[in-house]
Amino acid sequence: DQQVKQNSPSLSVQEGRISILNCDYTNSMFDYFLWYKKYPAEGPTFLISISSIKDKNEDGRFTVFLNKSAKHLSLHIVPSQPGDSAVYFCAATWIFGNEKLTFGTGTRLTIIP
Amino acid sequence: KAGVTQTPRYLIKTRGQQVTLSCSPISGHRSVSWYQQTPGQGLQFLFEYFSETQRNKGNFPGRFSGRQFSNSRSEMNVSTLELGDSALYLCASSLEGAKLNSPLHFGNGTRLTVT
Repeated sequence: DQQVKQNSPSLSVQEGRISILNCDYTNSMFDYFLWYKKYPAEGPTFLISISSIKDKNEDGRFTVFLNKSAKHLSLHIVPSQPGDSAVYFCAATWIFGNEKLTFGTGTRLTIIP
Repeated sequence: KAGVTQTPRYLIKTRGQQVTLSCSPISGHRSVSWYQQTPGQGLQFLFEYFSETQRNKGNFPGRFSGRQFSNSRSEMNVSTLELGDSALYLCASSLEGAKLNSPLHFGNGTRLTVT
């Protein structure tokens, strides 16, 4: 039962263009969402998060959008840089209780110079 | 500030053996979580400890166990290893667990191979 889904296993984007990574969830209890980035041989690194009271959160080149009615969130990276090439994981939890993250299976982003 | 430290980085074990993995959290973090990463499965939650108590447990068999010490350091044990236990085991620490304004910070993992 995959409660958090990243349906695109891979994505290639030209350097300087926008990268859009998508994530869907099924559990309506989730109210806090995070994106992590993972390089090979390293642990995931926290990128950006959003709570369900917002529909957008921005941090530099990274913006996360949340559509609660569609149970969908997306991560936008503008402009894309070669160092952004990594696997991106979407994760979800609920703020009051749980204390664990439910992760998607990841999307491998490749930035083409 | 030092990050989350996991030891060892690599382990090769034989079916039926047991293994213990270690995790030192970021100083001041009281929550330690363990996740298993396998190809195609993403990261699967194993368990979470806070102040030496297990607060949450994922859907893994009883062969997987853990503990947390008074200094917040944690260990994970897998007994009677199976081939399917081959995976990257990630430890994460945070102030309060996976909550608002308390993101998980991950170590670089222990790569376990069971032959």
